[in-house]
Amino acid sequence: KQEVTQIPAALSVPEGENLVLNCSFTDSAIYNLQWFRQDPGKGLTSLLLIQSSQREQTSGRLNASLDKSSGRSTLYIAASQPGDSATYLCAAQNAGNNRKLIWGLGTSLAVNP
Amino acid sequence: DAGVIQSPRHEVTEMGQEVTLRCKPISGHNSLFWYRQTMMRGLELLIYFNNNVPIDDSGMPEDRFSAKMPNASFSTLKIQPSEPRDSAVYFCASSTGQGISGNTIYFGEGSWLTVV
Repeated sequence: KQEVTQIPAALSVPEGENLVLNCSFTDSAIYNLQWFRQDPGKGLTSLLLIQSSQREQTSGRLNASLDKSSGRSTLYIAASQPGDSATYLCAAQNAGNNRKLIWGLGTSLAVNP
Repeated sequence: DAGVIQSPRHEVTEMGQEVTLRCKPISGHNSLFWYRQTMMRGLELLIYFNNNVPIDDSGMPEDRFSAKMPNASFSTLKIQPSEPRDSAVYFCASSTGQGISGNTIYFGEGSWLTVV
């Protein structure tokens, strides 16, 4: 059974820092790994989707990597800004017929001006 | 496009009452998902539809929960009777593709349910 863990649960950094959010999954047979952002009182917004055959995806200041063999993905945020403050969730999509998204509980990020 | 639209945004109801949550997916999306989010359990998939047909409802917690999708532009999630432990945020999401195909999924802003 796939389990997704995100560490740390919360992170507070000063503006301008580069930071890394971690996501680990127990079953390497995934279809893809997805990162989402959730602002307080809002829904989730898709940030990056890494297919199982890919190693990384980039969008602006965000870079997500995937290492299936070790069951890990990282979300790198460069030059963090207060507007990056949100909860970041990762989700592993199962391979095979049951392609459910299995979600981590998220990392709550606060970027302080 | 207006995105996935959910109503009501907030609802407070008494235990035992019927609750109906509504969702309008993005036009052209043929997969629709209902999720529940709590602090303790995070996001849980309740049910998903493909081309208006329920494909997997294994996440529906019990018979008090039911979901329908009468057409491509509307879905409901009903709880009857509601209980305090049903208090959560309920998200509707939609995507293109066949079933859960790995395409980008778009979420509504959620329905915040409190059962007292």
